[in-house]
Amino acid sequence: QLQLQVSGPGLLKPSETLSLTCAVSGGSIISSDYYWGWVRQPPGKGLEWIGTLYYSGSTYYNPSLKSRLTISVDTSRNQFSLKLSSVTAVDTATYYCARHIKFWYFDLWGQGTLVTVSS
Amino acid sequence: QSVLTQPPSVSAAPRQKVTISCSGSSSNIGNNYVSWYQQLPGTAPTLLIYDNDKRPSGMSDRFSGSKSGTSATLAITGLQTGDEAVYYCGSWDSSLSAAVFGGGTQLTVL
Repeated sequence: QLQLQVSGPGLLKPSETLSLTCAVSGGSIISSDYYWGWVRQPPGKGLEWIGTLYYSGSTYYNPSLKSRLTISVDTSRNQFSLKLSSVTAVDTATYYCARHIKFWYFDLWGQGTLVTVSS
Repeated sequence: QSVLTQPPSVSAAPRQKVTISCSGSSSNIGNNYVSWYQQLPGTAPTLLIYDNDKRPSGMSDRFSGSKSGTSATLAITGLQTGDEAVYYCGSWDSSLSAAVFGGGTQLTVL
């Protein structure tokens, strides 16, 4: 059964770069049927789509984050990554990785990791 | 301010039926599929409904979805205390070129 596992630092200082990795197990990230996405959720708030990529490297970003965002894939390690630069307190959130089906819906989610931005 | 609009909360008694609305526009719900997610406290969201009205394999048939125009509805029948959660609708917005979500609806089973 496919599983997604997020890893990365939980505490950052303002202006630093947030870096997270999502490891995919139980199946290959190389699939013509699936995309792979990131979603975040500030404490006590709703869901916000960050971006999505295809195993070939094609990326699709939330316009509101695009200038600070890089999403990449490492097919040899069966994982994909998120980098968000110049973070501030508003980037404090639980970050989830998820399988994104044709941009219509997210059918499998990782457990999420809380990233706090604080001086 | 979410692109899709949901009521902040709904409530109903056990064994009753509840509906949760999700309102959007022609750039999202009106011309794209709607999905619904359940988020239990302290956990990741899980997919309840996709493509407006389809259930993932193994999902209870107590959950159903529908869409009409620029609005969608999630219905939950035979309410159980275990259904207490926050429910989100989602869609793709063709104008924004972005996946969008509603603000979430807290379901309380009285």
